[in-house]
Amino acid sequence: GQQLNQSPQSMFIQEGEDVSMNCTSSSIFNTWLWYKQDPGEGPVLLIALYKAGELTSNGRLTAQFGITRKDSFLNISASIPSDVGIYFCAGQPNYGGSQGNLIFGKGTKLSVKP
Amino acid sequence: DTGVSQDPRHKITKRGQNVTFRCDPISEHNRLYWYRQTLGQGPEFLTYFQNEAQLEKSRLLSDRFSAERPKGSFSTLEIQRTEQGDSAMYLCASSLARWYEQYFGPGTRLTVT
Repeated sequence: GQQLNQSPQSMFIQEGEDVSMNCTSSSIFNTWLWYKQDPGEGPVLLIALYKAGELTSNGRLTAQFGITRKDSFLNISASIPSDVGIYFCAGQPNYGGSQGNLIFGKGTKLSVKP
Repeated sequence: DTGVSQDPRHKITKRGQNVTFRCDPISEHNRLYWYRQTLGQGPEFLTYFQNEAQLEKSRLLSDRFSAERPKGSFSTLEIQRTEQGDSAMYLCASSLARWYEQYFGPGTRLTVT
């Protein structure tokens, strides 16, 4: 089945650092979304992207819909401790007629540097 | 404005028992989704409803699983004859016009012993 590859799998942040992560697919996606999940909670929608090349910000978060429509990037500027958690990319693939099935990556886990 | 709510938050059951989970979507959201999430993985789609109609079911939804949304408002997910492999977080989400903007509830953590 369709898979989304997230990179890196995990990373450590120090307060104030900028963070970058990405998500790639072998096929075209129509929509990309980024979610954050805290332990024991459901994912929270951060940013939704609708067309190739689109760049959208939400506070310190900026995400881009790749030109090839096969990737997306999320940047966090000036990280703070509450940014720790797991970030998931998700998307609506271009194939088929489903209007319900979001495909999720395996997540990038952000932790605080010891 | 209340978000998506799920009940219970945690459920421990013995193998072979039946369990039922409830999801209350955001008010006026006509689409409701069920996902399953295991440790270290992203959510995996199970099924979705538009109003009371169940429009799509994943191959992950075996015949032991059944979901309903009788009046187009809350939904229930029932698992019959639970197996240890059913242990997971069961997430519910809802959406309105832009169906892909799905808002998730806190999940129900199921542990089958």
